[in-house]
Amino acid sequence: GAVVSQHPSWVICKSGTSVKIECRSLDFQATTMFWYRQFPKQSLMLMATSNEGSKATYEQGVEKDKFLINHASLTLSTLTVTSAHPEDSSFYICSAREGPSTDTQYFGPGTRLTVL
Amino acid sequence: QKEVEQNSGPLSVPEGAIASLNCTYSDRVSQSFFWYRQYSGKSPELIMSIYSNGDKEDGRFTAQLNKASQYVSLLIRDSQPSDSATYLCAVNNKGGSEKLVFGKGTKLTVNP
Repeated sequence: GAVVSQHPSWVICKSGTSVKIECRSLDFQATTMFWYRQFPKQSLMLMATSNEGSKATYEQGVEKDKFLINHASLTLSTLTVTSAHPEDSSFYICSAREGPSTDTQYFGPGTRLTVL
Repeated sequence: QKEVEQNSGPLSVPEGAIASLNCTYSDRVSQSFFWYRQYSGKSPELIMSIYSNGDKEDGRFTAQLNKASQYVSLLIRDSQPSDSATYLCAVNNKGGSEKLVFGKGTKLTVNP
């Protein structure tokens, strides 16, 4: 149980285009999902916390207009990187929490974004 | 500032030995503690969670928590080359943010 999927697993795009990444909880309802970014050989960096039906809470320094997060259902959250630039190239990972009574997070497999 | 500290390593142990990974945290009211394993190029995978002082065992893994010392550890018995990965300690304060605060991870290498 507690399986989280992400799509796509990797994407290459041109500078200036937008990319959407989907995060799905497959066998549970996730009231809260989290989006992380990880650069090579660096630690996980939390970008935002996403609650179903409400606006995401962004971490300090993360541009909310550039990284659009939508959590429209209890099993799906999306991250859109708008007007992507080479410096946005990174490993984007989502995680999901089963419900308010637990704080265990299960991670998706990640999406590797390369912006040319 | 809530922090989670880990020795970055690398920690090298021979196959079959016990690997000991340590983590300290600064927020005294932290209540939930997690160990994740992350292979190179992959996302983190949950190994264990621990909430109460003492030891918690799951197969070859044992998590140890000492809230008075603000210290949590992970022991891996009979280490295998497949255990070679970066191990992330994560801490949550239920009374505050719902976020997990991650350490930077300890890289473990198990030598055949």
